[in-house]
Amino acid sequence: AQKVTQAQTEISVVEKEDVTLDCVYETRDTTYYLFWYKQPPSGELVFLIRRNSFDEQNEISGRYSWNFQKSTSSFNFTITASQVVDSAVYFCALSEGYNNNDMRFGAGTRLTVKP
Amino acid sequence: SQTIHQWPATLVQPVGSPLSLECTVEGTSNPNLYWYRQAAGRGLQLLFYSVGIGQISSEVPQNLSASRPQDRQFILSSKKLLLSDSGFYLCAWRTGRNIQYFGAGTRLSVL
Repeated sequence: AQKVTQAQTEISVVEKEDVTLDCVYETRDTTYYLFWYKQPPSGELVFLIRRNSFDEQNEISGRYSWNFQKSTSSFNFTITASQVVDSAVYFCALSEGYNNNDMRFGAGTRLTVKP
Repeated sequence: SQTIHQWPATLVQPVGSPLSLECTVEGTSNPNLYWYRQAAGRGLQLLFYSVGIGQISSEVPQNLSASRPQDRQFILSSKKLLLSDSGFYLCAWRTGRNIQYFGAGTRLSVL
């Protein structure tokens, strides 16, 4: 069965620090998709990135970067030069197969960036 | 572009009262639709999903039900609310690239 673990419940950093949010997943499928979502205090989940299991290239989008490593079943998320607006709960999620309606979320990591 | 709407944003209901939360999607046809619940400080739990009108799949047995009367409308209901139904309810739709986009959510407090 698919499972996502975000071991870090809460992280607190000072503005401009770099921070990495960890995500470890379990699946028996060879085809799967990994996601990161951001949940600001307003509550809405904001999609950040999707990765399929056949693409292990790391990705960078501005201050955000993602490190996908199948060998360790991890999909970690790094924010460089954090800002107060990055404060939110971040969720990692996994969906097995191509047309699977069951997307499993991790418990989330609450990131607080202090000025 | 596609948009998803949920209402109401906040709801306070007494125990034993009925519930109806509505979700509509614009800008796409025949989307897969989802209802999730997020308990305070917890992750998301999939409650129901629908692949078409009248087609509902339940992931967790509970006091809730869902219906899809129209292609882009998804409704979450309960006949009698329990205290344990309190939480943050999110509706989502899925793109052809397997990405789910979420509505703004409904914060339900059952007192």
